[in-house]
Amino acid sequence: EDQVTQSPEALRLQEGESSSLNCSYTVSGLRGLFWYRQDPGKGPEFLFTLYSAGEEKEKERLKATLTKKESFLHITAPKPEDSATYLCAVKLSSNYQLIWGAGTKLIIKP
Amino acid sequence: DAGVTQSPTHLIKTRGQHVTLRCSPISGHKSVSWYQQVLGQGPQFIFQYYEKEERGRGNFPDRFSARQFPNYSSELNVNALLLGDSALYLCASSLDVGGLLDFGDGTRLSIL
Repeated sequence: EDQVTQSPEALRLQEGESSSLNCSYTVSGLRGLFWYRQDPGKGPEFLFTLYSAGEEKEKERLKATLTKKESFLHITAPKPEDSATYLCAVKLSSNYQLIWGAGTKLIIKP
Repeated sequence: DAGVTQSPTHLIKTRGQHVTLRCSPISGHKSVSWYQQVLGQGPQFIFQYYEKEERGRGNFPDRFSARQFPNYSSELNVNALLLGDSALYLCASSLDVGGLLDFGDGTRLSIL
């Protein structure tokens, strides 16, 4: 069964304290892996797409990496405005549908 | 440019009622997808439409149906509402079937 698992469920950090979020997946075929950010009461907002193992993408304080089994979202020197739920999704090669993880709720305390 | 717009933003219904949710895609996007997001979980795929035709269906009962209109807007209908249908319903549009999804802010549906 195709499955995406994110850990931890929640993460509390002090402002400036760097850390990483994990997204592990077991799927029949990977067409791409996506990271989205979701603020309370809002829809998911696109951050990154990764297509192959070894690929990395960066945007401001965020960097996403991909291996054959998992992806990491590294956050460097986070600020309170980085507080949100971060969602990971995998696009299957058999169709165009996305399988989503449950998300990691990130809280950055000033 | 306007993003994906959904209406209404909030809705309260009782068990057994019917509901219609509406979505207008980004101009130029021809595909619309619907997702259900229960609190604390990731979105679950319900339907995808492209050029008014259904291109994908998730594991939801027949009480759920949708359609896409010639202007590419879409409706999601849910009949015989159950308490378990309480969720945030997200609409996403994309240029085509496999394109990057742009999400609206959803309709929060509460069933009493």
